[in-house]
Amino acid sequence: SQTIHQWPATLVQPVGSPLSLECTVEGTSNPNLYWYRQAAGRGLQLLFYSVGIGQISSEVPQNLSASRPQDRQFILSSKKLLLSDSGFYLCAWSVAAEQPQHFGDGTRLSIL
Amino acid sequence: GDSVTQMEGPVTLSEEAFLTINCTYTATGYPSLFWYVQYPGEGLQLLLKATKADDKGSNKGFEATYRKETTSFHLEKGSVQVSDSAVYFCALRSGGYQKVTFGTGTKLQVIP
Repeated sequence: SQTIHQWPATLVQPVGSPLSLECTVEGTSNPNLYWYRQAAGRGLQLLFYSVGIGQISSEVPQNLSASRPQDRQFILSSKKLLLSDSGFYLCAWSVAAEQPQHFGDGTRLSIL
Repeated sequence: GDSVTQMEGPVTLSEEAFLTINCTYTATGYPSLFWYVQYPGEGLQLLLKATKADDKGSNKGFEATYRKETTSFHLEKGSVQVSDSAVYFCALRSGGYQKVTFGTGTKLQVIP
C-alpha cells in the first residue's frame, strides 16, 4: 500500500532563517505531488505541484520554493523565512490529476 | 474562478444527533466533489467523493449527494459519535486540473 511521510512534524524557526521540509511517498511510481499551506482558521492554499522529476508549478508567488530531486521526494524550501510563513504545511500525492489526493500528517511551522 | 463555501463553525452536537454540514460551490464545467476530514494534529483524509451529478458518496456513516441544480454537496450523518469530532473540508476539482479548491473547513465537536 502507498504511504506518505512528512518531516519534521513541528518546527520552530527564527525570522530570516532557511527552511527545508521533506515529503516522501512509498508504494507508487510517478505520483503527482503537492504542497499546501493551512493558515490558522483558514482553508488550504495550494503552493506547488509537480507531475514529474524536476517539474514544479507554482500557484502562489512567495518566498518559498519547491524541488523534486527524485520521483517520490518533494521538498519545500525557503532561503529566508518571514513571520507570515507560519502555518501548517501539508504534502499530498495522487495517482493522477483526476484522482483524489492523499495527505501526509503535516508540519507545523512557527516563526519567531 | 472556482470556489467552495462551507457553513461556519464550530458546530457542537450531542452524541447520536443528526449532522448536516452545508457546502455549496462555484465552478466551470462539471467538477468532482470531495469531503475531507482532519483530526486534531493530523493531515487530511479523504472521507468521500462524487464525480458526477446525482452521485452519492458514502463512508463511515457519512454521505453527501452531488446536486448540480443547487450546486451543493452537503455532508450528513444520522448519528454522530464523539470520535467524529474533527474539522471537515469540502473541496472540488474542475475537469482535469491539478488544483483542488478547498473550503475553509467546519469544526465539529461532539459531546457525550
